[in-house]
Amino acid sequence: EVHLLESGGGLVQPGGSLRLSCAASGFTFSRYAMNWVRQAPGKGLDWVSGISSSGGYTFYADSVKGRFTISRDNSKNTLYLQTDSLRAEDTAVYYCAKENNSPDSWGQGTLVTVSS
Amino acid sequence: QAGLTQPPSVSKGLRQTATLTCTGNSNNVGNQGAAWLQQHQGHPPKLLFYRNNDRASGISERFSASRPGNTASLTITGLQPEDEADYYCSAWDSSLSAWVFGGGTKLTVL
Repeated sequence: EVHLLESGGGLVQPGGSLRLSCAASGFTFSRYAMNWVRQAPGKGLDWVSGISSSGGYTFYADSVKGRFTISRDNSKNTLYLQTDSLRAEDTAVYYCAKENNSPDSWGQGTLVTVSS
Repeated sequence: QAGLTQPPSVSKGLRQTATLTCTGNSNNVGNQGAAWLQQHQGHPPKLLFYRNNDRASGISERFSASRPGNTASLTITGLQPEDEADYYCSAWDSSLSAWVFGGGTKLTVL
């Protein structure tokens, strides 16, 4: 059974940084692209970033380009999202999602709150 | 980034049929197909259909998906109380090199 567990969220001041992690199990992590998708309170789903299975290709939403960095460690079955220069509008639950043609498995999410 | 267009809400009666729509363009839905996800309040999204209209594992046959042109559709027959949820469509946009989502449709079962 696929299991994705996000961690690293919390309360951070505007301009601050957080490193989110997503520990994967139940599948061969190195074979699948992975994505981060966020959901602001009471709002819809918003794709943030994606990374190819090998880590050689990365993709970002315009809203986070230059501020967020996605990476992965296939030896540790872990996906990361380094979030820098955080803004109030980045406040959201951040989900990691396994990609198999479509985002087919999701974690429970980790809450990031950007506030002074 | 431009998203996909979904009606904000749909209301139908118990045991009726609901059809939800998702409109994109030739760079996303029309070319790549759309996935459908269901999200109950306080839970993460769950995949219903892959972009090629394959039903995800464990999804009831009361759910079906189609994609005529740039608009994808999700049909739910014999509506049950547990079908009340938010439904999102998603597609890979080849011109943006990005996943795009619809704004979501809140389905109410009366």
